[in-house]
Amino acid sequence: EIVLTQSPATLSLSPGERVTLSCRASQSIRSFLAWYQQKPGQAPRLLIYDASNRATGIPARFSGSGSGTDFTLTISSLEPEDFAVYYCQQRSNWPLTFGGGTKVEIK
Amino acid sequence: EVQLLNSGGGLVQPGGSLRLSCAGSGFTFSSYAMSWVRQAPGKGLEWISTISGTGDSTYYIDSVRGRFAISRDNSKSTVHLQMKSLRAEDTATYYCAKGLNPLHDTSYIDWWGQGTLVTVSS
Repeated sequence: EIVLTQSPATLSLSPGERVTLSCRASQSIRSFLAWYQQKPGQAPRLLIYDASNRATGIPARFSGSGSGTDFTLTISSLEPEDFAVYYCQQRSNWPLTFGGGTKVEIK
Repeated sequence: EVQLLNSGGGLVQPGGSLRLSCAGSGFTFSSYAMSWVRQAPGKGLEWISTISGTGDSTYYIDSVRGRFAISRDNSKSTVHLQMKSLRAEDTATYYCAKGLNPLHDTSYIDWWGQGTLVTVSS
């Protein structure tokens, strides 16, 4: 099983700040990584797939990068609606796995 | 617009059974793998099962293999999760989910149902 480790667990930031979230895979997953955003009481929303492709309707302030084992989600300037939990997910191998999540909270 | 409507959750005793259903609309249902993902209260996301678009291939996480069975009826655009021998640790919100890529079993998820809560408790 491929383990995805996200860091940090929690980030306390202010609107307008730039944020970088990390996801590390226990073995190479090439570029088969996605990022999701989840707000309380809601289902997750796909942000990025194949490491760097924005999903339909996702604002340009969200970007993804990386390949192999190290991946990054960057939000260039935090908007109030971006405070949420972010998960990474790999589709390289069964079982599909998610990272433990990073909570981005208001400072 | 794509819609996924979950149903079938509720309270069940340990060792009991429950069947979840999910009705899809707004897309060519038979072209997409469908999955179930769960989330225990206050915890992260856990993929548990996927079924291919044709229904010929199924995949499970080890912790549910042999206890859960995923199936689909493409004529009714529905996917089901039959759960038996339920345990307290199966308590979670269960999401039905649509794959992003048509005809790919391994996929990301671009649409999620609203989730249905399954509580396993005596």
